[in-house]
Amino acid sequence: DIQMTQSPSSLSASVGDRVTITCQASQSINTYLNWYQQKPGKAPKLLIYAASSLQSGVPSRFSGSGSGTDFTLTISSLQPEDFATYYCQQSYSTPLFTFGPGTKVVI
Amino acid sequence: QVQLVESGGGVVQPGRSLRLSCAASGFTFSSYGMHWVRQAPGKGLEWVAVISYDGSNKYYADSVKGRFTISRDNSKNTLYLQMNSLRAEDTAVYYCAKGVRYSSSWYAWYFDLWGRGTLVTVSS
Repeated sequence: DIQMTQSPSSLSASVGDRVTITCQASQSINTYLNWYQQKPGKAPKLLIYAASSLQSGVPSRFSGSGSGTDFTLTISSLQPEDFATYYCQQSYSTPLFTFGPGTKVVI
Repeated sequence: QVQLVESGGGVVQPGRSLRLSCAASGFTFSSYGMHWVRQAPGKGLEWVAVISYDGSNKYYADSVKGRFTISRDNSKNTLYLQMNSLRAEDTAVYYCAKGVRYSSSWYAWYFDLWGRGTLVTVSS
């Protein structure tokens, strides 16, 4: 089974900060890595797919990079609406999927 | 509009059964594989099960295999999750999600539409 880890598990940041979240897979997953944002009481929202492709309608301050086992989600200038929990997800083990444990971004 | 709406959650005793439904609208339901994903209170996301667009293929997480059954009725644009032999650890918000294949690669999938979820509480 492919295991996903994320770091940090939580981070404190301010509006305007550059924020970086990392996700690591237990084996190579090429670029089959997606990022989701979840706000309290809401469903997850797709931000990035294929490690670096921005989903339609997602602000350009979000970007993703990486391949193999190491991936990064970057928010270039944190906005008030970006305070949320972020999850990575691998699809390399399709039809089985795995999410990372999440990174909570707090003020 | 394009949406998924889950229903059927509630409080159930350990060992009992429950069936969740997910009503789809605004897109061609019969063209997409569909997933169930759950989230225990205060915890992260856990993928549960997937069914192919035509219902011919189904896969499950090890944690629910043999107890849960995913199905769909394309004539009703509805996805189901039959949950049997429920345990306390099955307590979670259950989301349905639409799977999209974004390239010709077998591995190229993401979930682009999610419902708001339905809460299942397993407790005596």
